[in-house]
Amino acid sequence: QSVLTQPPSVSAAPGQKVTISCSGGTSNIGTNFVSWYQHLPGTAPKILIRDNSERLSGIPDRFSGSRSGTSATLVITGLQTGDEADYYCGTWDSSLTDVVFGGGTKLTVL
Amino acid sequence: QLQLQESGPGLVKPSETLSLTCTVAGDSMSRSSYYWGWVRQAPGKGPEWIGSVRNIGVTDDIIYYSPSLRSRLTISVDASRNQFSLRLNSVTAADTAVYYCARPSGAYPLIHSFDVWGQGTLVTVSS
Repeated sequence: QSVLTQPPSVSAAPGQKVTISCSGGTSNIGTNFVSWYQHLPGTAPKILIRDNSERLSGIPDRFSGSRSGTSATLVITGLQTGDEADYYCGTWDSSLTDVVFGGGTKLTVL
Repeated sequence: QLQLQESGPGLVKPSETLSLTCTVAGDSMSRSSYYWGWVRQAPGKGPEWIGSVRNIGVTDDIIYYSPSLRSRLTISVDASRNQFSLRLNSVTAADTAVYYCARPSGAYPLIHSFDVWGQGTLVTVSS
């Protein structure tokens, strides 16, 4: 059972928008910055967002992140087939003294 | 350009010790401003942080371990070789995973937000 909770799957058509949620608590998302990763099979995870909403260099502005209270959200607009992947949120948990990740959300672009 | 490369056995027997080394190219680990981390991903599961280390002196390192692995885990730095290593004792099939070394996107105290990763190495625990 992951400390951070994500929906197992989301789907949408090309060109549409999806929202992936990440729910945690006061000791993790509530007080520490959240990162978002994209993971394609056979490759290392790729960071998209750090510090809740800062896109890493080279990440298209179709990807955006936000945090409110103890939840974080990744929004992907203008979906492309190449966006099909697993997406994970991650942060530091101050109570556990642990880096924690969500269980992952599989994005399907229909 | 920063590059990380994992090395070590791909097959470990149950109850034995898993040992991996990460070689860093393009940055110095000595008295580094960064934490250097290990992350693993079991088949079909999400990433799991193993631990992170920062060298702050000739013989001084700051190390954080995952609470769930701490009792079996040792992470160390050889700054002279620009390498850091992990040793995980008493492995079981549950330790089968792709093991990555990685560096956060910012200097300490940042210990997560990994933006540079090694290619990963699959370690299988099996007799």
